[in-house]
Amino acid sequence: DTEVTQTPKHLVMGMTNKKSLKCEQHMGHRAMYWYKQKAKKPPELMFVYSYEKLSINESVPSRFSPECPNSSLLNLHLHALQPEDSALYLCASRRTGEDIQYFGAGTRLSVL
Amino acid sequence: AQTVTQSQPEMSVQEAETVTLSCTYDTSENNYYLFWYKQPHSRQMILVIRQEAYKQQNATENRFSVNFQKAAKSFSLKISDSQLGDTAMYFCAFMKQRTGSEKLVFGKGTKLTVNP
Repeated sequence: DTEVTQTPKHLVMGMTNKKSLKCEQHMGHRAMYWYKQKAKKPPELMFVYSYEKLSINESVPSRFSPECPNSSLLNLHLHALQPEDSALYLCASRRTGEDIQYFGAGTRLSVL
Repeated sequence: AQTVTQSQPEMSVQEAETVTLSCTYDTSENNYYLFWYKQPHSRQMILVIRQEAYKQQNATENRFSVNFQKAAKSFSLKISDSQLGDTAMYFCAFMKQRTGSEKLVFGKGTKLTVNP
């Protein structure tokens, strides 16, 4: 089983809304990632969690707030987003000691 | 810093034929990993094939194979007997050997269309 589950699949929000994206895996992977992907572009790394601790923040604006409450769950809290934040948000996970990242199907976010 | 270059923004191939996607990279590292991911319908990234830099033998996965030229820093993907389901965006990616960060560096992608 190499499944990473992301919810919701689609999300439309206003610039004053607060919403959260969820990512879940039950493969025992202890590294989890958030990527942002604009149309026709490659994914861009946002955050990396290793053993539930934030290890990399790629200078992401504070309106994006990640959270890793346990080893299976990764959240991305969104607040006061801008229309340019509209994108596909991908979650990935990786088993410690291995190199392959497994991706979820993403959340397509539209900010109005 | 590592960079990955995919020089073919778009390619097309007839069903059952063979196509090769190009990828070059730049790094000063000696130990690293290379990957090809496909992304159909602009959604999930699916691993197609991976190569460990210390292995000289080219990786193969069924109809997919790579031509890994370490000295030339080249990592092309060959798809044999192309199928309609191979239509997707293909990304070449680089990752340094496990250092704790494991950041994937992606190329800009090649959009492949398989025609019936």
